[in-house]
Amino acid sequence: QSALTQPASVSGSPGQSITISCTGTSSDVGSYNLVSWYQQHPGKAPKLMIYEVSKRPSGVSNRFSGSKSGNTASLTISGLQAEDEADYYCCSYAAPWVFGGGTKLTVL
Amino acid sequence: QVQLVQSGAEVKKPGASVKVSCKASGYTFTSYGISWVRQAPGQGLEWMGWISAYNGNTNYAQKLQGRVTMTTDTSTSTAYMELRSLRSDDTAVYYCARVVVAGFWFDPWGQGTLVTVSS
Repeated sequence: QSALTQPASVSGSPGQSITISCTGTSSDVGSYNLVSWYQQHPGKAPKLMIYEVSKRPSGVSNRFSGSKSGNTASLTISGLQAEDEADYYCCSYAAPWVFGGGTKLTVL
Repeated sequence: QVQLVQSGAEVKKPGASVKVSCKASGYTFTSYGISWVRQAPGQGLEWMGWISAYNGNTNYAQKLQGRVTMTTDTSTSTAYMELRSLRSDDTAVYYCARVVVAGFWFDPWGQGTLVTVSS
């Protein structure tokens, strides 16, 4: 299975909104509403931010939202804050699982 | 609170084996699964496999078939991942993560275990 495709980097200024895309195929992202997103700060373990495409775990800010269209899932972060600067990974269940290559978010 | 605590860093020679542990607390261990994910230095996340803590069923990534074994000890709520015939490209941080039985996401994650393979 090939990794899902994410942009290597995105950036935005504080207060702005950014969107990170995650492109797969009809065998993974397109087949299941089972996309999750993880935030990883340097030297730390990943943290679940979104599951089942658009659901937010308890404790995750409502500035984070997810969506999906066809074979592409997206993570949107609104009202960017300095603490959002991190790597973000998408993941899709694809019997079994496959991750995206990761996107480095820089808050300017 | 739900927590996964992993064993400490390891240094191994090529061809050796390593066994990493992941001790769970704060939830009913047998009601969930455990997945293992690794991250090579400066690289992305790679899913390695999954084990059901309920019945021990496993599912391994194709590229690791034959070299990896995942097990659990329900008496101590601990999951284990053993990787054999280590190569330099197995150098990575290895994470365990809880998987909901009827769900397909990883939450929470252990703190990670650095495995270095070097002669």
